[in-house]
Amino acid sequence: NAGVTQTPKFRVLKTGQSMTLLCAQDMNHEYMYWYRQDPGMGLRLIHYSVGEGTTAKGEVPDGYNVSRLKKQNFLLGLESAAPSQTSVYFCASSYPGHGYTFGSGTRLTVV
Amino acid sequence: TQLLEQSPQFLSIQEGENLTVYCNSSSVFSSLQWYRQEPGEGPVLLVTVVTGGEVKKLKRLTFQFGDARKDSSLHITAAQPGDTGLYLCAGGSSNTGKLIFGQGTTLQVKP
Repeated sequence: NAGVTQTPKFRVLKTGQSMTLLCAQDMNHEYMYWYRQDPGMGLRLIHYSVGEGTTAKGEVPDGYNVSRLKKQNFLLGLESAAPSQTSVYFCASSYPGHGYTFGSGTRLTVV
Repeated sequence: TQLLEQSPQFLSIQEGENLTVYCNSSSVFSSLQWYRQEPGEGPVLLVTVVTGGEVKKLKRLTFQFGDARKDSSLHITAAQPGDTGLYLCAGGSSNTGKLIFGQGTTLQVKP
């Protein structure tokens, strides 16, 4: 069982570059989420989706965009990367009201 | 804004000792979940509690949800080196499935 797959696992970007992080889940979950994890700050919600074609802002959405064109995929985009976006990014999915299944993360460094 | 405060942030103990991690908020949550995260991996769900006063046991781990559904605790009996990791509590909203995470408690169990 693949669960939640994130690509890439590691990436180094220069300030101002753009990139897309891909999240794919094979559990037919309705809900999908993007979090960032920084030392001492826990996990903070960037954007989330409660179904195909729908997205909503989380706690820290600035500088990020998302799309959910297919139920199984949730894409996170950085249009113009900044050093403050250096972080570990986690995607998760769930059924409504149930626990999350997380991916193994993408470690992003912006120089 | 809903916040979850975890304490302690760091805990280093000897094998065989007992410990308790606390998760507190001024907000009421529809559910409270606990996750464990190992280095380089995503968090893994340990338990979900949904009823005020609920107690759940998972081998040597005991989870409790406060009567008012604002706080929770995780108690580990006779800790083992394999319990080492980052423990995260997360409060849930029944409407959106969103989780608010605490900052985490880093546990180190020395042999």
